[in-house]
Order: sequence, then structure tokens, then C-alpha cells
Amino acid sequence: SAVISQKPSRDICQRGTSLTIQCQVDSQVTMMFWYRQQPGQSLTLIATANQGSEATYESGFVIDKFPISRPNLTFSTLTVSNMSPEDSSIYLCSAVWDQGGGNTIYFGEGSWLTVV
Amino acid sequence: LAKTTQPISMDSYEGQEVNITCSHNNIATNDYITWYQQFPSQGPRFIIQGYKTKVTNEVASLFIPADRKSSTLSLPRVSLSDTAVYYCLVGAALSGGYNKLIFGAGTRLAVHP
Repeated sequence: SAVISQKPSRDICQRGTSLTIQCQVDSQVTMMFWYRQQPGQSLTLIATANQGSEATYESGFVIDKFPISRPNLTFSTLTVSNMSPEDSSIYLCSAVWDQGGGNTIYFGEGSWLTVV
Repeated sequence: LAKTTQPISMDSYEGQEVNITCSHNNIATNDYITWYQQFPSQGPRFIIQGYKTKVTNEVASLFIPADRKSSTLSLPRVSLSDTAVYYCLVGAALSGGYNKLIFGAGTRLAVHP
């Protein structure tokens, strides 16, 4: 299976500040995704991040609030801007691996943000 | 995008076999079926993936009928450590193309002593 590392794993942030989450994968991948999981809820897709193009955001998520970078095939960042307590969530990075017979998504361990 | 329907929760006891069924009536021809396990405060962990018939690995089996409108994850002889949320997803396409994965509510499995 693939190895996906996220930093930070956990942080407490002040209201109004911004935080950038880093996601590093151990091999080159074309497609990466960012998800948010609020307490007690399922995962919600924020955006798709492909190398060499702008991220594609899902309904309800905008680039000004969640800017994403994808500078190469092994790395991506998600910034949570101007945070409020409603942004307290686990943010998860995922990547698609071509298994030969089909694509499989693997997830990082998540970055748990608490906004105070 | 194919939607999935699973039971919200299930209870079992240690040593029993657990079968979790997922409905995905509008699955597309190129879609694979993938199951994940998630423990609290951790990222989802890949369990098993299949396209049709039966797939088995060291932790689970996946049964997919011919019409592919449903699938069943089978966990043999569960233990307390299998208590988790299990997600069924469809949308991983064949090589060369991909559909994003949309998570449903998942099934909360509680294994009791």
C-alpha cells in the first residue's frame, strides 16, 4: 500500500488565522484529493488536486477559503484561511494509485484542527 | 456518480462472521467497489476492492453479484479491534480514468465481548 504523510497531525489555531497542511506521498501520483471530516460525520470532498492545473472544488468550497497547491507529483498543500470554529475538523489528503487492474485511493492519517 | 446505501449500524460479538451489505443501484460500467475501515481520529484504511464476483484478501472477502447493484463485505471471526466505521464506495474507474469518491454515512460496527 501507499504511504501518505500529513503535517501537522494536530493543531490548535486562533480564530482568523490561516494554516497550511502538507501532504507528502511516497511515489508519484497523478490525482490527489482533499477531504474534510467534521466531528461525528462522514468525509466530505473539498477538491481534486492535479499536478499542473488548478484544483477543482466541490460545491460549497471555494479557492479563497481553501487554496490548494500541487507543485509536483508527490506533494500537495491545503490552506484553511481565516479560520473560524466551524472549520474545526479533520482534514484528509488522499491519492490515487494505479494498481494495474484498477485505481485505488489511499488516505493519510489526517490533520486534526481545532479553532478557538 | 453512483450513490451507496448501507445500514447505519450493526452489532456483533467476538468470533462471529459479519456481513455488511451495500446497495449501489446506479453503478457505472467502469466503477469499482471499494471498502474502507475508519477508526476514530484516523484516516480511512483500504480494506478491499473488487469489480465482480468474489475477491478475498487476508482480512476480508467481497461478494459482488452479477448485476453489481450491491456488494457484501464479509469479515470473518471479528474481534473487538474490528469496531469501526465501514464505508462502501463506488467510482474508482479503470486505469486511465477516474471518478472521485463520494463518501456516504458508512456503517458503524460495534463488536461486543
